[in-house]
Amino acid sequence: DIVMTQSPATLSVSPGERGTLSCRASQSVSSNLAWYQHKPGQAPRLLIYGASTRATGIPARFSGSGSGTEFTLTISSLQSEDFAVYYCQHYNNWPPRWTFGQGTKVEMK
Amino acid sequence: QVQLVESGGGVVQSGGSLRLSCAASGFTFSGLGMHWVRQAPGKGLEWVAFIRFDGSHKFYADSVKGRFTISRDNSKNTLFLEMNSLRPEDTAVYYCAKDPFGDCWGQGALVTVSS
Repeated sequence: DIVMTQSPATLSVSPGERGTLSCRASQSVSSNLAWYQHKPGQAPRLLIYGASTRATGIPARFSGSGSGTEFTLTISSLQSEDFAVYYCQHYNNWPPRWTFGQGTKVEMK
Repeated sequence: QVQLVESGGGVVQSGGSLRLSCAASGFTFSGLGMHWVRQAPGKGLEWVAFIRFDGSHKFYADSVKGRFTISRDNSKNTLFLEMNSLRPEDTAVYYCAKDPFGDCWGQGALVTVSS
C-alpha cells in the first residue's frame, strides 16, 4: 500500500510570510495528488488537484508542484484565514482508493 | 449549487448498527462515483469506502471491510453507508465526497460508539 508522509507536522508562520508544506509518497503516484485545507467543524476544501492545478475559486497564493514521489504546497503570503490543517491525498484511478497524509497544521507564529 | 448533506449520525453502543445517508444536489449524481471518508477525534482523514456511479463496484478500507456496506439510490440522488458491528474506534465524523478527487464534501455526520 502507498503511504503518504507530510512534513512538517506543524508549521509556525507569521501573516504575510511564505509557507511551504511537503508531501512524500512511498512509491510513485504520478500526478494523482491533491491538497486540502481543513478547518474545525467544516468540510475539507479542495485546493489543488493533479499536483499543480488550482481548484475553482482557490486564490493564486496557493500553488502546488511536484510529481512522482515528492510534492510541495506553497502559500505565497499567508492570510489569517489560511491557518488550518492541510492534507495531501493520493487518488488512485482504479481501484479508486484515497490515501491521505497525516496532515500539517499551519499555525500563527 | 453543488451540495452534499449527510444525516443519520448519532450515539450507538458497541456492536450496534447505524445507517448514514448523503443527499446530493446540483450535479449529475448518477454519473459520478462517491466516497465516504472519516475523521476520528484528534486524528487525520481516513478513506472508508467507494462506490462506482452505477453501484457495480464497491471498495472498502481494510478497517471496515465486512462490517460496512456502501450503496446508492440514483433515483433519489442519495448515497448510504450501512455500519454494523460498530466498535469504539469507529467513532468519527463521517463525510461523503465526490470522485475522482473531492471537489465537494458534505459537512459531516458525527458517529459516537460507546463501550
